[in-house]
Amino acid sequence: DADVTQTPRNRITKTGKRIMLECSQTKGHDRMYWYRQDPGLGLRLIYYSFDVKDINKGEISDGYSVSRQAQAKFSLSLESAIPNQTALYFCATSDPNNEQFFGPGTRLTVL
Amino acid sequence: QQPVQSPQAVILREGEDAVINCSSSKALYSVHWYRQKHGEAPVFLMILLKGGEQKGHEKISASFNEKKQQSSLYLTASQLSYSGTYFCGTELEKTSYDKVIFGPGTSLSVIP
Repeated sequence: DADVTQTPRNRITKTGKRIMLECSQTKGHDRMYWYRQDPGLGLRLIYYSFDVKDINKGEISDGYSVSRQAQAKFSLSLESAIPNQTALYFCATSDPNNEQFFGPGTRLTVL
Repeated sequence: QQPVQSPQAVILREGEDAVINCSSSKALYSVHWYRQKHGEAPVFLMILLKGGEQKGHEKISASFNEKKQQSSLYLTASQLSYSGTYFCGTELEKTSYDKVIFGPGTSLSVIP
């Protein structure tokens, strides 16, 4: 079984809709991250959490929110989706050496 | 704050060598290297800590020049399986929140 899982894997939604992307991990890591990947821009950090009570904004947090429900779960929400949020989204965890373990990704399309 | 990677893209024939560079304008604590194959998630290659160390992983190695705040990834005798996008990630001072900021990536294509 995968150590970091994301649901859904693909999602098509309409402008203005609220959606949630979910991430679960079985690695027992305290640190979790949400990244967005766009062609030519690499992986940009949206939000990160170093433990259940710790939530931090990344480089591009506007338009997004997160919830850390438990050590194993970290959700990303788009309150009102817009077309330029169309991207590939990755959840990741990291170990104490900061090695990152990525989930399989969620491809989001906002029409 | 995003590190700069060069080149943006490179095409190699099997057996050729390549170097991918990553540089930052800020003092770094560490540099990370990841490879992402098409349609897959990024996968960890190695971490280099400040101190100018060099690390190796099969025929892929890297160095970290602390004075220049630059890291280089060396791929020797490239194989078809090396194709993908290579990302460097940089971590600033260890005393601050040590999140990793990734560069834009370098696309590497190895052809027969």
